[in-house]
Amino acid sequence: EVKVVESGGGLVRPGRSLRLSCAASGFTFDDYAMHWVRQAPGKGLEWVSGISWNSGDIAYADSVEGRFTISRDNARNSLSLQMDSLRVEDTALYYCAKGYAAAGTVYFDSWGQGTLVTVSS
Amino acid sequence: SYDLTQPPSMSVSPGQTASITCSGDMLGDKYVSWYQQKPGQSPLVVIYQDNRRPSGIPERFSGSNSGNTATLTISGTQPMDEADYYCQAWDRRTAVFGGGTKLTVL
Repeated sequence: EVKVVESGGGLVRPGRSLRLSCAASGFTFDDYAMHWVRQAPGKGLEWVSGISWNSGDIAYADSVEGRFTISRDNARNSLSLQMDSLRVEDTALYYCAKGYAAAGTVYFDSWGQGTLVTVSS
Repeated sequence: SYDLTQPPSMSVSPGQTASITCSGDMLGDKYVSWYQQKPGQSPLVVIYQDNRRPSGIPERFSGSNSGNTATLTISGTQPMDEADYYCQAWDRRTAVFGGGTKLTVL
């Protein structure tokens, strides 16, 4: 069974940092790109960042470029998101999602339950 | 940046057909996926690559994509289909989601 489990969320002051983690199991982790998608309270889905299977290709949404850093450890089947200079508008439930790439497109075929990040003074 | 537009809400009677649209510039040139999200749950892909259903997704879910509009169709809508639905496309190494459509079955 494919499973991804996020951790690391919490309450943090604006301008501070937080590191999210995602533990994956049930599939060959280093065969797939992985992504972070967030959802602000009562709002829609927003893609945050993605990383290819070998970390050779990394992309970010404009809203987090320069502040967030995605990384992965294939030996540990884990994905991370280092979030610096956090803003109130970064408050959201952060999902780890397994990406499936085919025919020049990517969709997300497995999602975790999310970890909540609250940025507030 | 690339934008996808969905109607914020729609309603359908049980047993009827629901058609949820997603529009974007030349969207037909991209593949579209659709996700269902029920309250308190994570999103679930119900259609990928415009019209493919993952295993376990009922046949009443179907999709199409042409021109500037992709459509998710739910035939014989059931009360359990009440949820938020999001379209998603891939554009220049980034994923783009529509704003979501809240489907009410009543």
